[in-house]
Amino acid sequence: AQSVTQLGSHVSVSEGALVLLRCNYSSSVPPYLFWYVQYPNQGLQLLLKYTSAATLVKGINGFEAEFKKSETSFHLTKPSAHMSDAAEYFCAVFQPGKLIFGQGTTLQVKP
Amino acid sequence: DTAVSQTPKYLVTQMGNDKSIKCEQNLGHDTMYWYKQDSKKFLKIMFSYNNKELIINETVPNRFSPKSPDKAHLNLHINSLELGDSAVYFCASSPAAFKGGEINTEAFFGQGTRLTVV
Repeated sequence: AQSVTQLGSHVSVSEGALVLLRCNYSSSVPPYLFWYVQYPNQGLQLLLKYTSAATLVKGINGFEAEFKKSETSFHLTKPSAHMSDAAEYFCAVFQPGKLIFGQGTTLQVKP
Repeated sequence: DTAVSQTPKYLVTQMGNDKSIKCEQNLGHDTMYWYKQDSKKFLKIMFSYNNKELIINETVPNRFSPKSPDKAHLNLHINSLELGDSAVYFCASSPAAFKGGEINTEAFFGQGTRLTVV
């Protein structure tokens, strides 16, 4: 069965600093991987998804993620954090019939 | 135009009551889901439907009964509500999750229904 693990339940960065949110996956088959963002009291919005055509995936709001098979990782990055990036971030892997989510990482952005 | 819409957004009710949450998607998707998000924000699948048929039931208590009258709707009825049912419930849909592929499996979520049982 596929699974994902997000390292760090809480990440705090200063505005303008690099954002790095970590996600490792476990899958016996080529995975379909996703990053979602949840703003307070809202639903989940897709940030980006892994397409087998490219290992570096660009998403919305300046985020990107790199699929590294050798490290079984799909870390999310953004070069410069903005106050509006403060939210909950979820990594997810598709398993037939459902998305399996990681535990989530709360991103705090300090002025 | 809201792609996946849930009603109500907030629901406060007493233990023992029966309540329903409605979900509709206007994306033409084949697959719909119910997820539960607990107080620690952990998201767990409850049910998956494909073209109105129940495909996955993740050991959810029988008090929870989903119903899909057509592939655009997936409602959730909960009987005899308990304190532990308090959570945020999300409806979601995917184009055709059971066909696989990064396009077909991408899930679109509703805004959630915050259920509080007192």
